[in-house]
Amino acid sequence: TQLLEQSPQFLSIQEGENLTVYCNSSSVFSSLQWYRQEPGEGPVLLVTVVTGGEVKKLKRLTFQFGDARKDSSLHITAAQTGDTGLYLCAGASGAGSYQLTFGKGTKLSVIP
Amino acid sequence: DVKVTQSSRYLVKRTGEKVFLECVQDMDHENMFWYRQDPGLGLRLIYFSYDVKMKEKGDIPEGYSVSREKKERFSLILESASTNQTSMYLCASLARLRLGEQYFGPGTRLTVT
Repeated sequence: TQLLEQSPQFLSIQEGENLTVYCNSSSVFSSLQWYRQEPGEGPVLLVTVVTGGEVKKLKRLTFQFGDARKDSSLHITAAQTGDTGLYLCAGASGAGSYQLTFGKGTKLSVIP
Repeated sequence: DVKVTQSSRYLVKRTGEKVFLECVQDMDHENMFWYRQDPGLGLRLIYFSYDVKMKEKGDIPEGYSVSREKKERFSLILESASTNQTSMYLCASLARLRLGEQYFGPGTRLTVT
């Protein structure tokens, strides 16, 4: 059974601070996705990383896929209140399976 | 943009009722999924479908069934609702060969009393 562990579970920071969220596994994934979910809404896809060592930037968000494709991180620079939400990582194992393994999420609160 | 819509945002049902949750996607995606999301447990896969009339059990299929008669539509059925099925239900779709890039609907918050 593949598992994705996210840390921290909860994070409360002041507006303008930087933060990093981690997603770790002992399994190798063919791709890894990051989603953001706002209260009462469905998750929204932010990014997909595929290649070991890959770094992708989305404005103030930087996503990195580990060299061994077992872990990933999300770094937010100068957090804003609009970044508040639940951040989920999800891994696809490939091999003909379209299922995703989801982490339990990091709940981020950015305080003005 | 991919759009996934769910028939209701909020639903309140009584124990023992049959409940239908419907999901429609407009991007001609082959794969569709039903999840439930509960605090502390994360997203758990109930059923998925990789083609019309095809279905596969996920991690927690007990008490649920599904129907996919048309490519764009995937229905989740609670045959006899129970209080432990109170949850947020999320539908998602995925294009073939786009591993992992699932697009989610807004969710249905179901309360069974």
